[in-house]
Amino acid sequence: SQQGEEDPQALSIQEGENATMNCSYKTSINNLQWYRQNSGRGLVHLILIRSNEREKHSGRLRVTLDTSKKSSSLLITASRAADTASYFCATGGNNRLAFGKGNQVVVIP
Amino acid sequence: EPEVTQTPSHQVTQMGQEVILRCVPISNHLYFYWYRQILGQKVEFLVSFYNNEISEKSEIFDDQFSVERPDGSNFTLKIRSTKLEDSAMYFCASGYLAEETQYFGPGTRLLVL
Repeated sequence: SQQGEEDPQALSIQEGENATMNCSYKTSINNLQWYRQNSGRGLVHLILIRSNEREKHSGRLRVTLDTSKKSSSLLITASRAADTASYFCATGGNNRLAFGKGNQVVVIP
Repeated sequence: EPEVTQTPSHQVTQMGQEVILRCVPISNHLYFYWYRQILGQKVEFLVSFYNNEISEKSEIFDDQFSVERPDGSNFTLKIRSTKLEDSAMYFCASGYLAEETQYFGPGTRLLVL
């Protein structure tokens, strides 16, 4: 089954630095989405990239998708303290999302 | 901006009791979903619902679970006889198109004692 799997890393960065996190998956997908979750709260949709797209930008977010390597990356530029959260990738297909384990990002003011 | 809402935010119940979790999806959305997240674990898909019927369900979604859209606005998840292992955060989500962005509610934290 489809499954997003982030690099299991916890990032701790200074405000203003960039944060990069990666995700890999196992099967073919229709799209890949990134979500943010603040501690104990709901999932906020960040960006969706379709399987025929290679790169997408939204504000300070940049997502890449490499379907040949079955991997995606999320870059947050000029990080802020408010970016402190867990970030999940989720692969879409068969009318469901399959989530990875999440990356914890801490931005130090 | 429209958003998905869920009630209650927290629910504590005794093992074996029935619980109903409620969701109000975004009003023009057609696809509805339930997911759950056990503490410290991944978000897991439970069920998707379209055109008043289940379109996909996972292995977790057994006979103890059911979903219903009783009117034009609410979407409910019922657990008939709760188990300890049902303790989790339950998220409702909705989307306008299949295989597109899903918008999540804030979740209901269920604790089964």
